Amino acid sequence: AQSVTQPDIHITVSEGASLELRCNYSYGATPYLFWYVQSPGQGLQLLLKYFSGDTLVQGIKGFEAEFKRSQSSFNLRKPSVHWSDAAEYFCAVVSSTSGTYKYIFGTGTRLKVLA
Amino acid sequence: DTGVSQNPRHKITKRGQNVTFRCDPISEHNRLYWYRQTLGQGPEFLTYFQNEAQLEKSRLLSDRFSAERPKGSFSTLEIQRTEQGDSAMYLCASSISGQENYGYTFGSGTRLTVV
Repeated sequence: AQSVTQPDIHITVSEGASLELRCNYSYGATPYLFWYVQSPGQGLQLLLKYFSGDTLVQGIKGFEAEFKRSQSSFNLRKPSVHWSDAAEYFCAVVSSTSGTYKYIFGTGTRLKVLA
Repeated sequence: DTGVSQNPRHKITKRGQNVTFRCDPISEHNRLYWYRQTLGQGPEFLTYFQNEAQLEKSRLLSDRFSAERPKGSFSTLEIQRTEQGDSAMYLCASSISGQENYGYTFGSGTRLTVV
């Protein structure tokens, strides 16, 4: 069965430091992979996506992610974190069984940024 | 177009009462999804419409839950005889069929509290 694992429930970094959020997936075919960000009490905003081509994808707000098929990973990175990046981050894979294309989300990583 | 709109933003109800939420997707999007997000978890798929047809329902969607999309535009999610376990954020998303690899657009959600 398809699944997404985000091993880190909480991460704390200092403002200006680099960031890497981990995501591992289990999916039989070539996956569509996404990272979303959720601020408190808000919906989900798409940061970036991968479905084919270049394995290093750029997103909004200075984020990037690298798809590594051999490791079944799609880790999110940012070279320098800003205080406004504090939020919850969700990795997701799209399951295309039955033609539904529904998301399977990880449990999320909550990012705290220290001033 | 202002994106996916959900109403109300917050709903507090007594156990046993019925509640109804509304989602207005992006106008040209023919697919509409409902997800539920409990505290500390990622969103979980509930159900999906293509135009007015409800094509898939999760096992999470008990008999007390019903969703409609009568004219293929807005959708409603009704919960009958609410229970405390129904307390969650209910998220709606929409997309265009055939463009699932571009990601969904999520609404800001309706937060339900059952007391």
